[in-house]
Amino acid sequence: EIVLTQSPGTLSLSPGERATLSCRASQSVSSSYLAWYQQKPGQAPRLLIYGASSRATGIPDTFSGSGSGTDFTLTISRLEPEDFAVYYCQQYGSSPRTFGQGTKVEIK
Amino acid sequence: QVQLVQSGAEVKKPGASVKVSCKASGYTITTYYMHWVRQAPGQGLEWVGIINPTGTGTTYAEKFRGRVTMTRDASTSTVYMELSSLRSEDTGVYFCARDGGSGWGHFDYWGQGTLVTVSS
Repeated sequence: EIVLTQSPGTLSLSPGERATLSCRASQSVSSSYLAWYQQKPGQAPRLLIYGASSRATGIPDTFSGSGSGTDFTLTISRLEPEDFAVYYCQQYGSSPRTFGQGTKVEIK
Repeated sequence: QVQLVQSGAEVKKPGASVKVSCKASGYTITTYYMHWVRQAPGQGLEWVGIINPTGTGTTYAEKFRGRVTMTRDASTSTVYMELSSLRSEDTGVYFCARDGGSGWGHFDYWGQGTLVTVSS
């Protein structure tokens, strides 16, 4: 099983600032099958990034993903009020599919 | 547009079973795999398993093997997840999520979630 470790656990930032979230895998993620999801309280997760760097439909270009192998990054170039949420990375190249424990981006 | 609409909240006693439904619209259910994901209260996301487009093949996470059954009814475009021998640790929100690939894809659409509470 691939274990995904996200850091930091919590990120305290102000609107307009840049957010950098990390996801490290315990072994190489096959074919960059790495996704990022955003989840707000009481809602289902929402796909942001797949294939490590491809934005999902309707996702603004302030969100970008990068990385390969075991190290991946989600960057939000300029935080909008609606971007404060919990973010999860997920690998879907091997079974079981696994998620990171999440990074909470909160308003400073 | 693609929509996944799940059944309502359930309260069950320990040892009972629960069956959660996920009705798909906006696409042909027999062409996509479907996953189920659990989220315990205040916790992260946990993959439960996957069912193939025809409903003839399933893969379950080891933790749930022997207690979970996933099925689908093409006539109603509905996928089901049944979990048996419930215990308090099964309390959580269960989501269905469409696989955007061919069984090895990202989860592109999600249901709204179904809260299952296990309590005596």
